[in-house]
Amino acid sequence: AQTVTQSQPEMSVQEAETVTLSCTYDTSESDYYLFWYKQPPSRQMILVIRQEAYKQQNATENRFSVNFQKAAKSFSLKISDSQLGDAAMYFCAYRSAVSGGSNYKLTFGKGTLLTVNP
Amino acid sequence: GAGVSQSPSNKVTEKGKDVELRCDPISGHTALYWYRQSLGQGLEFLIYFQGNSAPDKSGLPSDRFSAERTGGSVSTLTIQRTQQEDSAVYLCASSLQGVLGTIYFGEGSWLTVV
Repeated sequence: AQTVTQSQPEMSVQEAETVTLSCTYDTSESDYYLFWYKQPPSRQMILVIRQEAYKQQNATENRFSVNFQKAAKSFSLKISDSQLGDAAMYFCAYRSAVSGGSNYKLTFGKGTLLTVNP
Repeated sequence: GAGVSQSPSNKVTEKGKDVELRCDPISGHTALYWYRQSLGQGLEFLIYFQGNSAPDKSGLPSDRFSAERTGGSVSTLTIQRTQQEDSAVYLCASSLQGVLGTIYFGEGSWLTVV
């Protein structure tokens, strides 16, 4: 079974600074997707960024980028120019891309609570 | 609607009572998921519906939990004889068929069992 580990329960960053959230995962599969979701106090999980494992290029979405290290099974999220609105719980998630089986499931880490200080 | 809609937003119930949580997925989405989020924990998969296929109920924690999806759209998660450990946020999500579909979440139903 796949597992996702977020080793930082809490992180803080000054407004306009850069912060990196860590995520590692364990899988025996070679084809999969990785995601970062943001959960603000409203509770709604919002997709921040996704990475296909077969792509070597790291995904980027505006101020959000990832450092995907497939051999090390590491998938960190970098937030540049942090804004007050970035404060939220961030979850790393894994989804198999293997045909059939339970590839529809997302397996989540326990989350990292990000505080942005003005 | 535009997004995944869940009701009620908050529910306080007495131990031993039954509760029903409702999810209305995004129109056209054939896949529907229920997850549970307990305090300080990540999201725990409960159940998955895909079209007319038999649902994957492998994540339901006990036989007190059940879910149905009527007409391939609205889903109801039912918890019978609630216990205090059932207190959590129950999140519903939907996606278009297939692994490439992005999963969209609702705002969840916060259940408190007293």
